[in-house]
Amino acid sequence: GEEVAQTPKHLVRGEGQKAKLYCAPIKGHSYVFWYQQVLKNEFKFLISFQNENVFDETGMPKERFSAKCLPNSPCSLEIQATKLEDSAVYFCASSQSGGRAQPQHFGDGTRLSIL
Amino acid sequence: AQRVTQPEKLLSVFKGAPVELKCNYSYSGSPELFWYVQYSRQRLQLLLRHISRESIKGFTADLNKGETSFHLKKPFAQEEDSAMYYCALTDGGATNKLIFGTGTLLAVQP
Repeated sequence: GEEVAQTPKHLVRGEGQKAKLYCAPIKGHSYVFWYQQVLKNEFKFLISFQNENVFDETGMPKERFSAKCLPNSPCSLEIQATKLEDSAVYFCASSQSGGRAQPQHFGDGTRLSIL
Repeated sequence: AQRVTQPEKLLSVFKGAPVELKCNYSYSGSPELFWYVQYSRQRLQLLLRHISRESIKGFTADLNKGETSFHLKKPFAQEEDSAMYYCALTDGGATNKLIFGTGTLLAVQP
């Protein structure tokens, strides 16, 4: 598609439940990024992919967070045993290539609420 | 460490007034800088990047390496410019992840 598509728009989970978010990058874009936006508008980088390979996972809380980008499927971000602090808006972005000046195109985000 | 600072949470101006949204950065090397904008109920979208040296919707931004700044300017604000503006730079490693400032809400009053 011509836009990054994220689903669902909103997701509500009880503490301790699993949450799974999806992202379809723009067709032809080979890089995918996940960011977490918490209160005060701070964006935190989580992970990036080059096609189906993890490119940078330095921002991922590895104990409960995992992500995948498989061929012919939307990318996914999964949180096991969610905690209240996971409540945030999760943004996915894609870029055509990996150059530093390449713009990233963002999806609408998924608002995750942990009760 | 790489860092982006937007000192103003809110900037309120009247229609037709000049606008300057401040952005300062901390980076060792040559930064790649961007301004993103988020209009109400819309997704984050690229406004401009310093490498392009372009003007979008009347906005310009000049990289000042001496002052480590990349302020966003527009000579005459319009009501439709009201939005959240984020300054960002690309991480210096191989990964080109974005490092964002905390954003400035621009409110243009009629």
